[in-house]
Amino acid sequence: DVVLTQSPATLSVTPGERISLSCRASESVDTYLHWYQQKPNESPRLLIKYASQSISGIPSRFSGSGSGTDFTLSINGVELEDLSIYYCQQGNSLPTFGSGTKLEIK
Amino acid sequence: EVQLVESGGGLVQPGRSMKLSCAASGFTFNNYDMAWVCQAPKKGLEWVATISYDGSSTYYRDSVKGRFTISRDNAKSTLYLQMDSLRSEDTATYYCARHYPAFDYWGQGVMVTVSS
Repeated sequence: DVVLTQSPATLSVTPGERISLSCRASESVDTYLHWYQQKPNESPRLLIKYASQSISGIPSRFSGSGSGTDFTLSINGVELEDLSIYYCQQGNSLPTFGSGTKLEIK
Repeated sequence: EVQLVESGGGLVQPGRSMKLSCAASGFTFNNYDMAWVCQAPKKGLEWVATISYDGSSTYYRDSVKGRFTISRDNAKSTLYLQMDSLRSEDTATYYCARHYPAFDYWGQGVMVTVSS
C-alpha cells in the first residue's frame, strides 16, 4: 500500500496567515493526489483534486501543488472557518489516506 | 443537488452481520463508481471498498476482504455494504461516497458499533 505522511500533525495558526500543509507519498503517485477538509462532526469535503485542480464552490484561497511524492496544500489567508482536519488521499493505486493535519487557532 | 443518504447502522455483537444502504439522488447513479469510507472514533479516514459503475468490478482493503461485500442496485440508485463476521475494530462511522476518482461527494455517515 502507498503510505501518505502528512506534516505537521497539528498547526497553530493566526487568522490571515498563509500556510502550507505537506503530504509525502512512499512511492510516486504522479498527480493522483486529492485533498479533503473535515470540520468537526461533519463529513469530509473535497478541496483539491489531481494535486492542483480546483473544485467548484471551494474558496480560491485554497490551492494545491506537487507531483510524484511531494505535495502541498496552501491556504492564502487562513480564516476561522478553516479550522478543520485536512487529509490527503492518493488514487494511483487502491486508495489510501494520510493521517491528517489539524489546524487550530494560536 | 447530489445527495447520498446512508442507513442501517447501529449496535451489533462481534461475529454478527449488518447491512448498510446508501440512497443516491441528484446524478445519474449508473454512470459512477461508488465507495465506502470509514472513520473509527477520533481516528482518520480509511477507504473500505469500491464498486464500478456497472457492478462488474469490486475492490476491498485487505482487512475486510472475505468479510465485507459491496454491491449496488442501479435501478434503485442504491449502494450497499454487507458486513459479516464483524469485529470490534470495525466500529466506525461509515460514509458512502461517489468515487470519481476522487471522493467528490459524501453522505452524512452512519455509525456502526461492534460490541457485546
